[in-house]
Amino acid sequence: GAVVSQHPSWVICKSGTSVKIECRSLDFQATTMFWYRQFPKQSLMLMATSNEGSKATYEQGVEKDKFLINHASLTLSTLTVTSAHPEDSSFYICSASPTAGTYNEQFFGPGTRLTVL
Amino acid sequence: TQLLEQSPQFLSIQEGENLTVYCNSSSVFSSLQWYRQEPGEGPVLLVTVVTGGEVKKLKRLTFQFGDARKDSSLHITAAQPGDTGLYLCAGAGAGSYQLTFGKGTKLSVIP
Repeated sequence: GAVVSQHPSWVICKSGTSVKIECRSLDFQATTMFWYRQFPKQSLMLMATSNEGSKATYEQGVEKDKFLINHASLTLSTLTVTSAHPEDSSFYICSASPTAGTYNEQFFGPGTRLTVL
Repeated sequence: TQLLEQSPQFLSIQEGENLTVYCNSSSVFSSLQWYRQEPGEGPVLLVTVVTGGEVKKLKRLTFQFGDARKDSSLHITAAQPGDTGLYLCAGAGAGSYQLTFGKGTKLSVIP
């Protein structure tokens, strides 16, 4: 149980285009999902906390107009990187915290490798 | 702001050796999770500890939560090449859904 999928697993796009990444909890409901960014050989950097049916909460320094987050259902959150630039190239990982969970555990998706040319 | 200091940052050992990874903080956590991440993949949850002094075992891995719930350790006995990966500790504060992550320990087990 507690499986989280992410799609696509990798994407290459041209500078200036937008890219949407989906995060789904497959076998549990998640009121809260999280989006992280990970640079090579580094730990996870929290970008935003996504709550179903409400606006996402962004961490300091993360542009909310550039990284659009939508959490439309208890099993789906999307991250759209708008007007992507090469500096947005990174490994993006989502996680989901079960609504019925007790210990604030997060289950992670497999990640999406974004390369902006 | 809660911080988790994880050490060592890098560890390269021979197959069969034992090792310990530490996570320390000045903050109290309501729970602490350990994850293992392989290159190009998302972190996989290994264990959650919630009670001060708690010890959990997962085959050759032993996890301990400090009595004051401010620190934790991961001990691996007789390491195998399959244990190679990035180990991350993450703590949850009381009433918070967010996790504070350590910087990770990159473990390499050499056959």
